Amino acid sequence: DAKTTQPPSMDCAEGRAANLPCNHSTISGNEYVYWYRQIHSQGPQYIIHGLKNNETNEMASLIITEDRKSSTLILPHATLRDTAVYYCIVRVGSGAGSYQLTFGKGTKLSVIP
Amino acid sequence: KAGVTQTPRYLIKTRGQQVTLSCSPISGHRSVSWYQQTPGQGLQFLFEYFSETQRNKGNFPGRFSGRQFSNSRSEMNVSTLELGDSALYLCASSLLRDSYEQYFGPGTRLTVT
Repeated sequence: DAKTTQPPSMDCAEGRAANLPCNHSTISGNEYVYWYRQIHSQGPQYIIHGLKNNETNEMASLIITEDRKSSTLILPHATLRDTAVYYCIVRVGSGAGSYQLTFGKGTKLSVIP
Repeated sequence: KAGVTQTPRYLIKTRGQQVTLSCSPISGHRSVSWYQQTPGQGLQFLFEYFSETQRNKGNFPGRFSGRQFSNSRSEMNVSTLELGDSALYLCASSLLRDSYEQYFGPGTRLTVT
């Protein structure tokens, strides 16, 4: 059963911010939100993860709502190389549990020149 | 450091045959997971190995098996191949089971005719 819901596709103009939403209304207290992306014909690539605070790294920012039922991945200045399928995944952080990544269908982000 | 390597990259087999795919994780990584990716089902978890033991298994028939060696290298085997086994098989490694980042290899593209 899918734990996350994402729009199937989005477009973004090159140089603009890409905001990718994800709904995870049944997230548990010990589950983190992870984002991966898969560029065509490559293996998925880790982007960022978070529990309840907003996070930022060199690739992106992750905004998690206070109730943790949804989040948004932000690519601040999208480039053509950011065209990919973006997956939002919830997974336990540590302790007993399964650490597999359960991929949904993701969001196909197309960056337009 | 070198990334996750998978061999072979491409493979063509006939129905009924068996196949063995290999994965070499990043040096020092002890956890290896396998995923199957098809256009219809997307990315699906196959199994996870840590310290030469299978820790978790996805919902796949017993024809799919795997193992991990003492150097953390892993192999997966599919016996009695079916047309539906045609897929991209991805291997991911991480330092520990609950490491937040899994590093994916480029995958092995298996075609069953």
